[in-house]
Amino acid sequence: DAKTTQPTSMDCAEGRAANLPCNHSTISGNEYVYWYRQIHSQGPQYIIHGLKNNETNEMASLIITEDRKSSTLILPHATLRDTAVYYCIVRPRITHGSSNTGKLIFGQGTTLQVKP
Amino acid sequence: DGGITQSPKYLFRKEGQNVTLSCEQNLNHDAMYWYRQDPGQGLRLIYYSQIVNDFQKGDIAEGYSVSREKKESFPLTVTSAQKNPTAFYLCASSIDLGMGRQPQHFGDGTRLSIL
Repeated sequence: DAKTTQPTSMDCAEGRAANLPCNHSTISGNEYVYWYRQIHSQGPQYIIHGLKNNETNEMASLIITEDRKSSTLILPHATLRDTAVYYCIVRPRITHGSSNTGKLIFGQGTTLQVKP
Repeated sequence: DGGITQSPKYLFRKEGQNVTLSCEQNLNHDAMYWYRQDPGQGLRLIYYSQIVNDFQKGDIAEGYSVSREKKESFPLTVTSAQKNPTAFYLCASSIDLGMGRQPQHFGDGTRLSIL
């Protein structure tokens, strides 16, 4: 699986956009970029994922560069409840008959602190 | 609402005791997973199940056991053989085994401590 690199921590003012970067320079063509977040003492929450195109849902937008070597998660109007650890994960599509367990590999993530 | 329910939220184990953590999902997902998270660490895979009556060991299965008798249920037993069981345990499910186009969804976890 491709490795990802994220900044250790970031701050964001409440109401402003939070832009969380992720580098995945060794990503291969069949690997998706997934974003999860984990609020203290809770399970990880799925946010968004994409392959090549930019994606948007009710929670966030995902911008993937044309070469797919990096991506940015955008929370358009951050609130205090968005304070969490954000994880960028690269995973391949399922390959039947392989040793693919489907497990998620969480790195250290980015601790986002939204401040009033 | 559909989702994954883990119980109990907090659990205490005495020395030499087996304890069972419950995980139930009503998402009609085939694949289910158990992860362990230690403070400041990433998730490590304990067991996973692709379909009913089938399950496989993950990276750290020693001292744990599971069953998958029903599609919606995947209980995890922490046995006395697990010498360092204190951790945050997370159950997840997905439509199929791989990520594909569908993500894994997680429960809110069970925090296990040793008395």
